[in-house]
This record gives sequence, structure tokens and C-alpha cells, in this order.
Amino acid sequence: EPEVTQTPSHQVTQMGQEVILRCVPISNHLYFYWYRQILGQKVEFLVSFYNNEISEKSEIFDDQFSVERPDGSNFTLKIRSTKLEDSAMYFCASYRVGDYGYTFGSGTRLTVV
Amino acid sequence: AQTVTQSQPEMSVQEAETVTLSCTYDTSENNYYLFWYKQPPSRQMILVIRQEAYKQQNATENRFSVNFQKAAKSFSLKISDSQLGDTAMYFCAFMKSNSGNTPLVFGKGTRLSVIA
Repeated sequence: EPEVTQTPSHQVTQMGQEVILRCVPISNHLYFYWYRQILGQKVEFLVSFYNNEISEKSEIFDDQFSVERPDGSNFTLKIRSTKLEDSAMYFCASYRVGDYGYTFGSGTRLTVV
Repeated sequence: AQTVTQSQPEMSVQEAETVTLSCTYDTSENNYYLFWYKQPPSRQMILVIRQEAYKQQNATENRFSVNFQKAAKSFSLKISDSQLGDTAMYFCAFMKSNSGNTPLVFGKGTRLSVIA
């Protein structure tokens, strides 16, 4: 069954450093998303991406965050200058109209120290 | 804005028994989609079941079924013949349309423990 792949599974970074989280969506999907889950809390929407541009973003997705689809297969989330409160599980998801629902990746656990 | 409320932070059930997880939501939309996602200790988000608001019939997927009460804005998940592998966080989620351009809105989750 097709799946969404996220790398790395766990990343530790120093506060103030830039991180890039990578995702490979399902190949024929056109809608891509990033969600965040702070430990023990609910899953929160960050951003949706379609046709090479952001279609919607939440209040969380401020100027520190950016997304890109650099090569037609990868979908990345960049955090420019990480803060302690960015420590969370980050989930990528993709979707095609008509699908039963979003398909989520396994997530990247980001730890900012 | 849509909100999703799960009022049971934790629940437990004996293996082979039946358990029901509650979810309520608030929306002014008439057509929308509701989901239950399972998050086992591996942290992966797994889609369990979907309900379209325009369908009166409750969705069923094997041992999982929902009780969708549109007027009451209630969407509960029933797990029959509970198995140890059902131990997980369960999230109720709302989506305004299936166009792809509307995000999922999640509840805070219910942690379910299945006891042998």
C-alpha cells in the first residue's frame, strides 16, 4: 500500500539552529500538509500546500516556518531558528480528491535543546 | 471556526469487550466529514473510519463502527471485541470538505487501554 515517508524519524538540534524536515508524499497525490503534535497534546494544523503554493496556514505557521516542494517528489518543512517550544512530533500528510482520507507519515520527532 | 471535543481523556476496557469513545463537534456547515484516527505507541496516525455528514447510515469498518447524530453534533466510536492491539490514542477529527483545501481539525484525544 502506498505510504508517506518522513525523514529523519528523530532529530535533535540546538536552539537557534535551522532544521529541515523531509517528506515524500504518495506519488499521485496533489495536496500536502504539515501537522504538529506537542507531546501529550492534540494534533495541530500548520500548513497545506497545493499547486506549488501554500493554500492555507495556521497562526502557528509564522515567519520562522517555510515549506517547499523542491523537486516534484519531496515536500519539506523548514524551521529557520528553532526554539525550545518547537519540540514536537511533526507529521506530513498527503491527499488526493476522492481518497477516503489523508494519509499520514510516521512523523519526525524534533527535540530542541 | 470548527471545534472538536473529546471529553474522555482516558478509558480502559477488558479484552473482548466493547467500548465507546465520545466526540462532539461544533460547526455551522451542513456537509462535512468526520474521522477517527488511531495513534498507537509508535506515534503513527492511522485512519480508522470516516463518516460523511450527508449520509444517514452509520459507517462501519470491521470491529469499528460509529454512532453519528448530526442534530446533536455527536460522533462516537464503538470498538467491538476489543483487542490488545487496539491500545492507542484515538483522535476524532473534522474536515469541512473533501476538496483537499480544508485542514483536519482534531480533538485532544482519548487514551484507550485494552486490558488482558
